[in-house]
Amino acid sequence: DSGVTQTPKHLITATGQRVTLRCSPRSGDLSVYWYQQSLDQGLQFLIQYYNGEERAKGNILERFSAQQFPDLHSELNLSSLELGDSALYFCASSATRGNNEKLFFGSGTQLSVL
Amino acid sequence: AQKITQTQPGMFVQEKEAVTLDCTYDTSDPSYGLFWYKQPSSGEMIFLIYQGSYDQQNATEGRYSLNFQKARKSANLVISASQLGDSAMYFCAMRESTQGGSEKLVFGKGTKLTVNP
Repeated sequence: DSGVTQTPKHLITATGQRVTLRCSPRSGDLSVYWYQQSLDQGLQFLIQYYNGEERAKGNILERFSAQQFPDLHSELNLSSLELGDSALYFCASSATRGNNEKLFFGSGTQLSVL
Repeated sequence: AQKITQTQPGMFVQEKEAVTLDCTYDTSDPSYGLFWYKQPSSGEMIFLIYQGSYDQQNATEGRYSLNFQKARKSANLVISASQLGDSAMYFCAMRESTQGGSEKLVFGKGTKLTVNP
């Protein structure tokens, strides 16, 4: 158990809908990262938050947004969903900004857009 | 440009034998870190081993060791005494600096390892 909690584990929804994925980092970790894993793109970095502030942005679509709350949990919001958004979404955390620190991953949220 | 290259989509090994999973990387930063993660069929990402660019010795963690050849820009994972439970996807990743002064991990496409009894 990595200590990173993601909910829900599975999510099935329809095109055009909006969903929210939730992540609780390991106790004491200030950084939260979101990754998307799909068969064709592999593991893609989406966005990182550190202590409530956005620190880095990767290949995140404009339809997607995220935030980190004062209690350090994070949410990834996906809107106007398309079939191609179906993927496994991971949250990871680390103690600081990630300098040579390993990332602890949650077990992921499997999103299926029908 | 691809930063992490894993050239073996799939590998097979007999139980109790050793196996090497290849990883090459590309970076111009003098300071970087290399990671290996395991993803079993259940889906979670499990950290295995880390190697810093300035580390003098190759990293080892139990049955996992990293064959780090800096001049060749390779960081191959060696699993000794393979077990059936080692069957999984293995990802090589490199720490990359971001514009915000932070860092992220960039992953390779992965290698699917199958351990045969």
